[in-house]
Amino acid sequence: AQSVSQHNHHVILSEAASLELGCNYSYGGTVNLFWYVQYPGQHLQLLLKYFSGDPLVKGIKGFEAEFIKSKFSFNLRKPSVQWSDTAEYFCAGAGGSQGNLIFGKGTKLSVKP
Amino acid sequence: NAGVTQTPKFQVLKTGQSMTLQCAQDMNHEYMSWYRQDPGMGLRLIHYSVGAGITDQGEVPNGYNVSRSTTEDFPLRLLSAAPSQTSVYFCASSPLRVRVNEQFFGPGTRLTVL
Repeated sequence: AQSVSQHNHHVILSEAASLELGCNYSYGGTVNLFWYVQYPGQHLQLLLKYFSGDPLVKGIKGFEAEFIKSKFSFNLRKPSVQWSDTAEYFCAGAGGSQGNLIFGKGTKLSVKP
Repeated sequence: NAGVTQTPKFQVLKTGQSMTLQCAQDMNHEYMSWYRQDPGMGLRLIHYSVGAGITDQGEVPNGYNVSRSTTEDFPLRLLSAAPSQTSVYFCASSPLRVRVNEQFFGPGTRLTVL
């Protein structure tokens, strides 16, 4: 069955620390991968997406993710987090005949000033 | 463009009541979908549509009904509300029919069923 899993439920970092959030997917065939962010009280916004080509994808606000096919992973990274990065982050995959998005359960990031 | 709009923002229902959550988009997107978000569960797909007149079930369709009479609108109906349907509901749309591309999300409707 298709699935997306996120390893961390809640991550707490200090400002300027580096961030890596794990995401693994289970899909057969072609898969499109996404990272969304949800700031407190707001709707989901796209951070970045991967369809094909360069496995290192750069998104908005200094975020990047690397698609590693052999590990079925699509981890999100940021070299130096800010307090304003406090949010919940969702990894999602789309594949199959309809291409519906399947979301991971999310990782809450709290950044201490 | 307003993007994806949802009404109402908040709603409280009693068990057994019915209601319709409205969703509209002005981007001429063919694909539209409804998700529910529950703590620790991420977002789960309720129903989706790949065009006017075409709808299908997602992961958690029980207790919900949808229709798609126009490209712009995709209402979600709760037939007989239950406390288990207390959740935040998000509508989303996407421009591609063949392959789901980036989905654009509405602001959400927070529903409480007493």
